[in-house]
Amino acid sequence: GNSVTQMEGPVTLSEEAFLTINCTYTATGYPSLFWYVQYPGEGLQLLLKATKADDKGSNKGFEATYRKETTSFHLEKGSVQVSDSAVYFCALKNMDMGRRALTFGSGTRLQVQP
Amino acid sequence: NAGVTQTPKFQVLKTGQSMTLQCAQDMNHEYMSWYRQDPGMGLRLIHYSVGAGITDQGEVPNGYNVSRSTTEDFPLRLLSAAPSQTSVYFCASSPRFLSTDTQYFGPGTRLTVL
Repeated sequence: GNSVTQMEGPVTLSEEAFLTINCTYTATGYPSLFWYVQYPGEGLQLLLKATKADDKGSNKGFEATYRKETTSFHLEKGSVQVSDSAVYFCALKNMDMGRRALTFGSGTRLQVQP
Repeated sequence: NAGVTQTPKFQVLKTGQSMTLQCAQDMNHEYMSWYRQDPGMGLRLIHYSVGAGITDQGEVPNGYNVSRSTTEDFPLRLLSAAPSQTSVYFCASSPRFLSTDTQYFGPGTRLTVL
């Protein structure tokens, strides 16, 4: 079946530090991959996505590259801000499966200190 | 567009009570779904619908019912609430369930069952 594994948090960084949140997946076929962000008290918002191997998704300074050879979709940002403090979820969508749903990782909480 | 709306935002129930969580979208999306979010477990799919009159079970459907009589609305019913159903519930929608479609999430309903 499908599964997504994320690094456990919380990740605590100082402002302007470099961010990496690891995400690896297991799936048959060619899934689409997503990063969602959840700010305190809010629902999930799409941060970026990639729909095929070697695609790079980017948004708001965040980037992630779909690596099929390593089944990974790591999230990176060169310089984090306090406003980036949130929970980040990696997810996949597998069109090969009968059940039509996103499969989520457990989430990684990021805390950025001034 | 209001996007995806959910009511109520907060709810406290006693064991055995029933209630309906409301979800509506004004984007004419065919696909709608319900997830529950529990600490350390990411989001898990409860039920989903690919169009009016069509629903199917997700990963954790027991204790929940859904119906989809219109494109806009997708209510989630708890038949007899149990403490294990204490969670945050998110509704989501997307145009269809294609690999490139983005899912849009509502703000969530925080449910406590005593």
